[in-house]
Amino acid sequence: DQQVKQNSPSLSVQEGRISILNCDYTNSMFDYFLWYKKYPAEGPTFLISISSIKDKNEDGRFTVFLNKSAKHLSLHIVPSQPGDSAVYFCAASGNFYNTDKLIFGTGTRLQVFP
Amino acid sequence: DAEITQSPRHKITETGRQVTLACHQTWNHNNMFWYRQDLGHGLRLIHYSYGVHDTNKGEVSDGYSVSRSNTEDLPLTLESAASSQTSVYFCASSEGQANTGELFFGEGSRLTVL
Repeated sequence: DQQVKQNSPSLSVQEGRISILNCDYTNSMFDYFLWYKKYPAEGPTFLISISSIKDKNEDGRFTVFLNKSAKHLSLHIVPSQPGDSAVYFCAASGNFYNTDKLIFGTGTRLQVFP
Repeated sequence: DAEITQSPRHKITETGRQVTLACHQTWNHNNMFWYRQDLGHGLRLIHYSYGVHDTNKGEVSDGYSVSRSNTEDLPLTLESAASSQTSVYFCASSEGQANTGELFFGEGSRLTVL
């Protein structure tokens, strides 16, 4: 069973618009969430994270929102740029489950077109 | 610059053969991880190590083994390759806990088992 789900395998957004990537999780004991970005033929790189004690974390054009009651998080990219075209993975961890191990979602491929 | 490198980047082998994927990091990180990426599954943890001579099984460890004889290297061995092990493999390392976002990935090794 998939504990971390990204139900949209792909998303296409026009340059300058907002990109919203969604992630749902099933285990309420997860308490730390991260987003990783992956370009073709490269390894994933860390993008932004959020602790369960917060509901929002912002870093430049990237903002992550966490809704614990809905077990849902989202990544907002504003404004979207062509260089943002990549696969985005959300990941979760929790103290119940060794914090050095991350559970990853299946990924969403974002394409930003001019 | 410190880095994490994987070799080979591409490998084609036959069912039943032994295959070893190399991972070398120069950050002097204690923690090292092996993941596999498959369509529809995201990144799944195979094995991990917290230091020299320490190895632990991840969620998809069957058919794989690792050994940690020094800080820099964590080779992944497929004792008898199977077609189900065709995948892209990523090595990662961290000094702190992975949920702080300090997980650094290599560029991946694409393995095809015929």
